[in-house]
Amino acid sequence: DTAVSQTPKYLVTQMGNDKSIKCEQNLGHDTMYWYKQDSKKFLKIMFSYNNKELIINETVPNRFSPKSPDKAHLNLHINSLELGDSAVYFCASSPSSGRRDTQYFGPGTRLTVL
Amino acid sequence: AQSVSQHNHHVILSEAASLELGCNYSYGGTVNLFWYVQYPGQHLQLLLKYFSGDPLVKGIKGFEAEFIKSKFSFNLRKPSVQWSDTAEYFCAANQGGKLIFGQGTELSVKP
Repeated sequence: DTAVSQTPKYLVTQMGNDKSIKCEQNLGHDTMYWYKQDSKKFLKIMFSYNNKELIINETVPNRFSPKSPDKAHLNLHINSLELGDSAVYFCASSPSSGRRDTQYFGPGTRLTVL
Repeated sequence: AQSVSQHNHHVILSEAASLELGCNYSYGGTVNLFWYVQYPGQHLQLLLKYFSGDPLVKGIKGFEAEFIKSKFSFNLRKPSVQWSDTAEYFCAANQGGKLIFGQGTELSVKP
């Protein structure tokens, strides 16, 4: 009965490769997010989708492309991976995009770029 | 733009000690504030949140936080910590639907 799930949990890859991370939520929420946690554990939002529409797009290299096939899924595709992309990527969801909504986080995907 | 600051980078306590973790935010308007906890190797979990009303909010696992508007603060407290409270604690503010996180405070509780 996992609420927000991500696959894979770990991802090790070479520089220059393209990789995807998948996220699914079974909470019936309308809004989903991607956050990046760097090596110093600082968390920063990357994207947010509300009902399959992009609503937040922070200053993220365009090598990162989110895709939401339906409101229960938000995938993150990364092209031409760089060393600096190594981080833990967290998916989250919330009932709506409102400021009072609690965001529920997935377990994270640890990406290591060699 | 709103920012959130956590001044304690690493706190080390013995079991049964009292805990207070500082959090300050920069926004002067209506704020929605959260504390999340990240246990080692796990995802972030909500401890408590404040939107309006009683400035003293109670959360899970015996945690509470006090919103002090005049000080732009939302400090997290627990009267008596346990070894199992060892984790990373994040304060966050919701700005326009996105969470702005503080730098995090690592809490280590010695048995």
